[in-house]
Amino acid sequence: AQKVTQAQTEISVVEKEDVTLDCVYETRDTTYYLFWYKQPPSGELVFLIRRNSFDEQNEISGRYSWNFQKSTSSFNFTITASQVVDSAVYFCALSGDNYGQNFVFGPGTRLSVLP
Amino acid sequence: DSGVTQTPKHLITATGQRVTLRCSPRSGDLSVYWYQQSLDQGLQFLIQYYNGEERAKGNILERFSAQQFPDLHSELNLSSLELGDSALYFCASSPRTGRITGELFFGEGSRLTVL
Repeated sequence: AQKVTQAQTEISVVEKEDVTLDCVYETRDTTYYLFWYKQPPSGELVFLIRRNSFDEQNEISGRYSWNFQKSTSSFNFTITASQVVDSAVYFCALSGDNYGQNFVFGPGTRLSVLP
Repeated sequence: DSGVTQTPKHLITATGQRVTLRCSPRSGDLSVYWYQQSLDQGLQFLIQYYNGEERAKGNILERFSAQQFPDLHSELNLSSLELGDSALYFCASSPRTGRITGELFFGEGSRLTVL
């Protein structure tokens, strides 16, 4: 069975600090997909990134960066120079290579960025 | 705006009642997923449809049922409602077809309150 663990339940940082959200996954699939979603206080779920298992290149998008390490089954998310607007719950998710079945989410990490 | 439409946005009902939640996926998306998010909980996968056929089932109670219609919209039926069914119900659709899993785009959710 597929599983996603986000060990950090809540994180608080002060604005402009860097913060890393951890994500560890378990899967027996050789091809799989990893995702990050943001859920701000307004409640909607916003897609941030999709990464497939055969592309371990790290990605940077503005203040966001993602570090995918297959050797440790981790897909960590770093926010550089955090801002108050980054305050949200962040979910890591995993899906196998089978028509999108078993699309599972981690429990989420609540990030609070204080001014 | 993700392009996924859910109605109603809010619903208040009593225990024992039955409700129907509706979802219109993004234009062209064949996959529809339903998730339940209880207060301060993660996203629990309920069920997935692909082009009208049930593709995967998660922790969906027998009191709950869903279907996807020929026009690809989907409905989630919740019956014999209990207080514990109070939650935010999300619908999501995916732009990919075939085996490759694409990102999910979520609607704004339907908040169900059972009194």
